Amino acid sequence: GENVEQHPSTLSVQEGDSAVIKCTYSDSASNYFPWYKQELGKRPQLIIDIRSNVGEKKDQRIAVTLNKTAKHFSLHITETQPEDSAVYFCAASRRNNRLAFGKGNQVVVIP
Amino acid sequence: DAGVIQSPRHEVTEMGQEVTLRCKPISGHNSLFWYRQTMMRGLELLIYFNNNVPIDDSGMPEDRFSAKMPNASFSTLKIQPSEPRDSAVYFCASSLVGSGQETQYFGPGTRLLVL
Repeated sequence: GENVEQHPSTLSVQEGDSAVIKCTYSDSASNYFPWYKQELGKRPQLIIDIRSNVGEKKDQRIAVTLNKTAKHFSLHITETQPEDSAVYFCAASRRNNRLAFGKGNQVVVIP
Repeated sequence: DAGVIQSPRHEVTEMGQEVTLRCKPISGHNSLFWYRQTMMRGLELLIYFNNNVPIDDSGMPEDRFSAKMPNASFSTLKIQPSEPRDSAVYFCASSLVGSGQETQYFGPGTRLLVL
């Protein structure tokens, strides 16, 4: 089955700087890649996703890039704010299959 | 849509007691997932149902854990007997697998403390 890995496990950034989290996946047939954000004490929530027919997708300060050849995708957060502090999970799936989640990255934005 | 509904939101029980967690998936979704989250082990998939049928229960820790999905709108996760190491947040999630967008939507979770 699909195996998803995230790096780094913890990332600290100064407020206003950019944060980048990278995930790798193992199944070349995977075609759907969402990112979830989990704030302390809350549920994981979808923040952005990308499909394999697209290389990049942006939504305000967040963006996701996909490199199918290398089998990795990344979350980019620009102009980080304290409310961006959370655990971020990446996931991957092929059509008609369940998502496989990574173990999560703790992002800490230092004011 | 009300989203995924879980109950109870918090549960405190004593070791050896039976615990039942409940989940109502989003209407129209055909897949339901039970996860356990702890600081040490992160987010673990316990069991996955598709069209009310258990597909993958390899994450169920041991025989003390059981899960059922009697219909498309209800599922339970039962722990009997409970132990302190079962203390965790248990999330239920649902999705529409086969739609081309297998996004999972999580419920608010049940925070379980076994004393």
